[in-house]
Amino acid sequence: SAVISQKPSRDICQRGTSLTIQCQVDSQVTMMFWYRQQPGQSLTLIATANQGSEATYESGFVIDKFPISRPNLTFSTLTVSNMSPEDSSIYLCSVEGGAQTEAFFGQGTRLTVV
Amino acid sequence: QKEVEQNSGPLSVPEGAIASLNCTYSDRGSQSFFWYRQYSGKSPELIMFIYSNGDKEDGRFTAQLNKASQYVSLLIRDSQPSDSATYLCAVSPGNQFYFGTGTSLTVIP
Repeated sequence: SAVISQKPSRDICQRGTSLTIQCQVDSQVTMMFWYRQQPGQSLTLIATANQGSEATYESGFVIDKFPISRPNLTFSTLTVSNMSPEDSSIYLCSVEGGAQTEAFFGQGTRLTVV
Repeated sequence: QKEVEQNSGPLSVPEGAIASLNCTYSDRGSQSFFWYRQYSGKSPELIMFIYSNGDKEDGRFTAQLNKASQYVSLLIRDSQPSDSATYLCAVSPGNQFYFGTGTSLTVIP
């Protein structure tokens, strides 16, 4: 299993500003994933972060809005840029345990944009 | 996004009954299938995974997979109030995981 530390756990931000969320894993992993969970909704994959290359974004998500860094095999950041109230959500970092094994999740970051 | 669909519920069952949760998916290339439980305000936690057609049992939980019908289900026997949560179906064609909308389950004492 993997232990994932995600911070901040929550934040309240002004519209138009940016927030960077950090995700630290206790072991080296090839891929890290960022999800968004809007109120009452399920998890939506934002992007896959690979070390040494640009992140791969899912349809509806763009790098300018959600830039991602992956400087090494245990760490990644997701930035939510130029925030609006519609970005209020829980953001979750996730890693895969290995081939065909479960996804492990961080504690999540609850973001409120006012 | 790959399409993964679940009945949103809410689903209510009395304590001790069987709860049945269903999930369909669109990507025939999907290889791995997972059921997660999510309590309010918490991150999802894995209940079961299944890779092959048929049934897989783990305690009170049974996962059923039918790849031809692109259907996966979760049965919870002897439901307990502590089972009350949102259940998320997840499908993985490779490395990424795609989640369904979740089914809210309430077990009534």
